[in-house]
Amino acid sequence: GAVVSQHPSRVICKSGTSVKIECRSLDFQATTMFWYRQFPKQSLMLMATSNEGSKATYEQGVEKDKFLINHASLTLSTLTVTSAHPEDSSFYICSASPANNEQFFGPGTRLTVL
Amino acid sequence: DQQVKQNSPSLSVQEGRISILNCDYTNSMFDYFLWYKKYPAEGPTFLISISSIKDKNEDGRFTVFLNKSAKHLSLHIVPSQPGDSAVYFCAALLRGKLIFGQGTELSVKP
Repeated sequence: GAVVSQHPSRVICKSGTSVKIECRSLDFQATTMFWYRQFPKQSLMLMATSNEGSKATYEQGVEKDKFLINHASLTLSTLTVTSAHPEDSSFYICSASPANNEQFFGPGTRLTVL
Repeated sequence: DQQVKQNSPSLSVQEGRISILNCDYTNSMFDYFLWYKKYPAEGPTFLISISSIKDKNEDGRFTVFLNKSAKHLSLHIVPSQPGDSAVYFCAALLRGKLIFGQGTELSVKP
């Protein structure tokens, strides 16, 4: 149990385009979903926390207008990187949490912006 | 400001020996610590955790030690197996949020 999927697993896009990444909890309802970003050889950095039906809470330094988060249901959250630039290239990982604070991580999405 | 630090980017150990992965933190308000294992192009998977009120937690080959006065924790794997080769992340939980260290890449050689 406690499986979290992400789609797509890998995406390459041109600079200036927008990219949507989906995060789904497959066998449980996620009260809260988290979005992280990991640059090579660095730690996972929390970008934002989202609760179903409410606005996401962004960490300091993360632009909410650039990284749009929608948590429309208890099993789906989406992250849209708007007007992507090469510096947005990174590994994006989501996690989903049922009510007990435990976090289950997705497999991640590798974004490359040309 | 890195609140959780793993100062060794890599560690190489012989199969059967003990692997010791270290982690230091700065915030005394952290109430829970977790270790995750991560393979390339995959998300982290939970390994073992410890509450801040404990000093040791053991689960099979994995033991986590917490030294609150030194703000230091370590993960011991014994005996190490080649399948343990991965990146290990230390994380601290604060108000429902996980703060990760930079990771240590463990290589267990047969």
